Amino acid sequence: SSELTQDPAVSVALGQTVRITCQGDRLRTYYASWYQQKAGQAPLLVIYGKNNRPAGIPDRFSGSSSGNTASLTITGAQAEDEADYYCNSRDSSGTVVFGGGTKVTVL
Amino acid sequence: QVRLVESGGGVVQPGGSLRLSCAGSGFTFRASSMHWVRQAPDKGLEWVAFMSFDGNNKYYGDSVRGRFTISRDISKNTLYLQMSFLRVEDTAIYYCARDMGSSGYYLDYWGQGILVSVSS
Repeated sequence: SSELTQDPAVSVALGQTVRITCQGDRLRTYYASWYQQKAGQAPLLVIYGKNNRPAGIPDRFSGSSSGNTASLTITGAQAEDEADYYCNSRDSSGTVVFGGGTKVTVL
Repeated sequence: QVRLVESGGGVVQPGGSLRLSCAGSGFTFRASSMHWVRQAPDKGLEWVAFMSFDGNNKYYGDSVRGRFTISRDISKNTLYLQMSFLRVEDTAIYYCARDMGSSGYYLDYWGQGILVSVSS
């Protein structure tokens, strides 16, 4: 399959840990990257590659990968982490696909 | 700092054409690969097109291949998306984004987006 599958929504209590997953065959070959999108804003890269954070991204965000599944973990979720999160990855032909997105609610 | 500014959006009838522009600054535009990504109202992100740093490789999403063309003008530090045979389902906010430059296609900077509305 050329698609990336994400759970539509997940909730987490303030200060607790949440893991968001992304599944797809292309993840067996290529790493995913993860994007945070808050309402009315452009997406923001939060994790890329094996487990890399761009400058300015808090270290409570981390990434991992196993087989056909990539994961984004927020350890100690904060109110400002409430957003939509998207994974993406490329394939060998050079095309890119995004997952359907996961809405994270911080309770 | 890196800045990307889209322009050229608006309302167009089905079957019509439109050209989006993305002006880049704060980085070496001619050495950067670039993407277009869109987001329909209340929907998720959809990758549209990619152009490699040297201009030699261009890739398109299935839904736009044959109708959209990505190009650039290095002298103006500007990326373009020529959209033809537009459909109602092309209505979306269109973002340009810079590629980080690795083999993984990581989009590290995004513009603010521009709205394209296809309607009769």
